[in-house]
Formats: sequence, structure tokens, C-alpha cells
Amino acid sequence: AQSVAQPEDQVNVAEGNPLTVKCTYSVSGNPYLFWYVQYPNRGLQFLLKYITGDNLVKGSYGFEAEFNKSQTSFHLKKPSALVSDSALYFCAVRSVYGNNRLAFGKGNQVVVIP
Amino acid sequence: NAGVMQNPRHLVRRRGQEARLRCSPMKGHSHVYWYRQLPEEGLKFMVYLQKENIIDESGMPKERFSAEFPKEGPSILRIQQVVRGDSAAYFCASSPTDASTDTQYFGPGTRLTVL
Repeated sequence: AQSVAQPEDQVNVAEGNPLTVKCTYSVSGNPYLFWYVQYPNRGLQFLLKYITGDNLVKGSYGFEAEFNKSQTSFHLKKPSALVSDSALYFCAVRSVYGNNRLAFGKGNQVVVIP
Repeated sequence: NAGVMQNPRHLVRRRGQEARLRCSPMKGHSHVYWYRQLPEEGLKFMVYLQKENIIDESGMPKERFSAEFPKEGPSILRIQQVVRGDSAAYFCASSPTDASTDTQYFGPGTRLTVL
């Protein structure tokens, strides 16, 4: 079975400071990893994904994520947070073994303080 | 290029009624996924469909829930005889192929409230 853990319920960061949202995963075989963001009363917007290759993946809105196989982690980062980054962030994993379902973490609420 | 469309955005039903949720995938996408988001929880997979076929329904309750994706028209998630525990946000996603590397793009969701 595949699963994702997002250990922190809420991440508070001051505007302009670096933002990190943590994600660890468990999956059989090689993982495909995704980050999505959800604004209030909206659907999920795709930010970035890791499939293979370079462990550092760059995505939308200045976000990036680093795949670490030994630590089974895929932390989301942004060098300088904006107030508009305040939202709910979801990490998701899918197995390479053909199961197309995404397994999501519980999500992290990010609050960027002006 | 329109994204994934879902309607209605909000749906209120009384216990025992039926709920029908519709999803139109992105243009060119023929693979549809339904997920449910309960309060304070992440999204949980329910069902995966291609045109006219249910590929994986292992996440969907065996009773009262059904899904279809006809040759023409949107995908429908149907909940019969709704109960209060069905209150949740239901999200639809679509992808262009069945490749595991494909990104799933999500609609805005339908928020179901059961009174």
C-alpha cells in the first residue's frame, strides 16, 4: 500500500522567509511524487512532480521540491514566501506498479504572516 | 483550454435522497478519477474510469455509491439514500492517458451537505 505523511498540521512563516513543507512517503517500488495546493473553496492546483532524473524539481509560482530516496522524503520549498502562498498544501504519491490512484497526505495549512 | 468542470459546486440533500455529481474532464482527457475529502482529512481515492469502463472502484463503498463515464457526456458519481456521513467535498480529476507518470488535474469540487 502507498501512503504519505505530512507531520505538521500548520506551518507559520513570515513573509520573505524561506518556506518548507515536509512530506515523507511509503510505496512499493519507485515512487511518483506530486505536490498540490488548495485555496479556500477551490480545487487542487498542480504545483510540481517528481518522476525520475534530477532530485530537485522546479514547479509553479517559485516552488521546488527535493526528492530524497534514502529518507523517503519529498519536501516542498520556496526561498521567499508571499502572503498569497497561504493555502493548504497536499503531497501525494503513486506507485510505479500501474496503480493509478493517488495517495494523499492530510495536508499542511501554510500561513504566511505579513 | 477549459479545465476540469464539476457541477453543482454545492449540493444540499436531506437524508434518504439521491445526489448526482457531474464531472467533465479536460479536453482531450479520457481518464477520470473521483476522490472524497472529509473534514480535516486528505483526499481519498474512490474510483477510476475510462470512457464506458470502470477500471478501479476499490475505494468506493459497495452500497449506495456508483459511478459511470458514458461515451457521450460527463462522468457521474451517484449516491443513493444519502446519510449525514456522506457530507464531504467530492473532487474529480482527469488525465490524458493511463500512464502512471501523468499529472491528474482537479476540478473545483462539489460540496455535498446532507441535512
